Amino acid sequence: DIQMTQSPSSLSASLGDKVTITCRASQSVRTDLNWYRQRPGEAPKLLIYAASSLQTGVPSRFSGSGSGTVFTLTISSVQPDDFASYYCHQTTRSPWTFGQGTRVEVK
Amino acid sequence: QPQLKESGPGHVKPSETLSLTCSVSGVSISSTGYYWAWIRQPPGKGPEWIGSIYYTGSTHYQSSLKSRVTISLDTSNSQFSLRLTSVTAGDTAVYYCAREYKYNSLDVWGQGTTVTV
Repeated sequence: DIQMTQSPSSLSASLGDKVTITCRASQSVRTDLNWYRQRPGEAPKLLIYAASSLQTGVPSRFSGSGSGTVFTLTISSVQPDDFASYYCHQTTRSPWTFGQGTRVEVK
Repeated sequence: QPQLKESGPGHVKPSETLSLTCSVSGVSISSTGYYWAWIRQPPGKGPEWIGSIYYTGSTHYQSSLKSRVTISLDTSNSQFSLRLTSVTAGDTAVYYCAREYKYNSLDVWGQGTTVTV
């Protein structure tokens, strides 16, 4: 199975900060990489699919980049709804696998 | 607007079978291009993809669960189901159903249901 590793595991940010989360795959996943945000008590929400495509309705402050084994999710200006956990998810080879998550906390 | 909703028992005894159903509305479960998936999330951990099914009945499963899991489709009732046999405390989690679409991303999720073993 393909292992997905996120860094950092947690970070502290203030409103308006730029935040970057990294996801590394144990082997190439091409651009078959998705990002989700999960607020406490809620289901994950799709933000980015295919490494860099913004899901319909998701604010433009979210962006994704990368290919192969290294990917990044960037929030250009953190808003109150963004204090949550974030997960990457590869779908190049079954079984699909998730990263362990990055928690964005209030500084 | 597609919606998914999970249903099933909140408690299952060790060694017994966990059975959950996902009811789909706002989209045809027989549409081409969609897979229908189950994902679980143990307390305090990240999500784990369990498996998914296409409208043709084609399935694929998480390697570690393959011997215990079955996902099936009931197109007449617009539902799909999860069956997990021989459960242990390690199967305690919030179970979500979801739709796989572009690049197999999970674009629509149910609210989740907590199952305790």
